[in-house]
Amino acid sequence: DAGVIQSPRHEVTEMGQEVTLRCKPISGHNSLFWYRQTMMRGLELLIYFNNNVPIDDSGMPEDRFSAKMPNASFSTLKIQPSEPRDSAVYFCASSLSPQEGSSYNEQFFGPGTRLTVL
Amino acid sequence: GEDVEQSLFLSVREGDSSVINCTYTDSSSTYLYWYKQEPGAGLQLLTYIFSNMDMKQDQRLTVLLNKKDKHLSLRIADTQTGDSAIYFCAEKGSGGYNKLIFGAGTRLAVHP
Repeated sequence: DAGVIQSPRHEVTEMGQEVTLRCKPISGHNSLFWYRQTMMRGLELLIYFNNNVPIDDSGMPEDRFSAKMPNASFSTLKIQPSEPRDSAVYFCASSLSPQEGSSYNEQFFGPGTRLTVL
Repeated sequence: GEDVEQSLFLSVREGDSSVINCTYTDSSSTYLYWYKQEPGAGLQLLTYIFSNMDMKQDQRLTVLLNKKDKHLSLRIADTQTGDSAIYFCAEKGSGGYNKLIFGAGTRLAVHP
C-alpha cells in the first residue's frame, strides 16, 4: 500500500487566494483526520470524518476553513480566503474504526502539505 | 477536558538512555501511544500500551504507565543519532471514534 497520499507537498500562495489541500486515505480505512502543525500551537486536530461523515469539526479555526469527503478515497481541506497566519504544515491521517475494547486503532499519517501564505 | 502534557525539549549524549515523560487527564483512556516524527515527515506510531498494563518493552524501547498518577514515560536505551526526532504522547479520545489527543511533542536532540 502507498500509505496516505497528500498533495501538493508544498504550496506557496498570496494572501486572499483560495487554497485546496488533498488527501487520499489508505484503502479500506474509514476514519480520516485533518491536522495542522505550527511551532506556536503544535499539532491541532481540525476535523475528522467517519464513513465520509464529519464527526467533529470543532477544531476548524474559522469559516474560512472547510473540509469535504465526497467518497471513501478522497478528502479536501479548503481555505478561502487564505491569510499569512494559516501558514503551517497540514497533515491528513487515516485509520480503521475501532472495535471497542479490541483495537489500538493506529492512525497513519501522510507526509503533510507545507503551506506558506505570503 | 482531555489534555496531554509533555516537556518540549530533551538533550542526551549518544549511548545514554533517554526518558520522555507525559501526563494525561482522561483516566478512562484504553490505549496510550507514542508517535515519532522525523524532520520533514508525518507522525509514525512508535509503540502503544493498553491501560491494563504497567510496562511494555520492545527492543530498545520501554513504556511505563502509572495509571494512578496518569503518567506515561518512554525510555530509549542506548540512544542513537537516528533517534533525534519529535516524540508525541497521545491518548485515545472519549467517544466511540478513534480520535487521538496529542501532546505538544518533545524534541529529542542526540549529541555525540
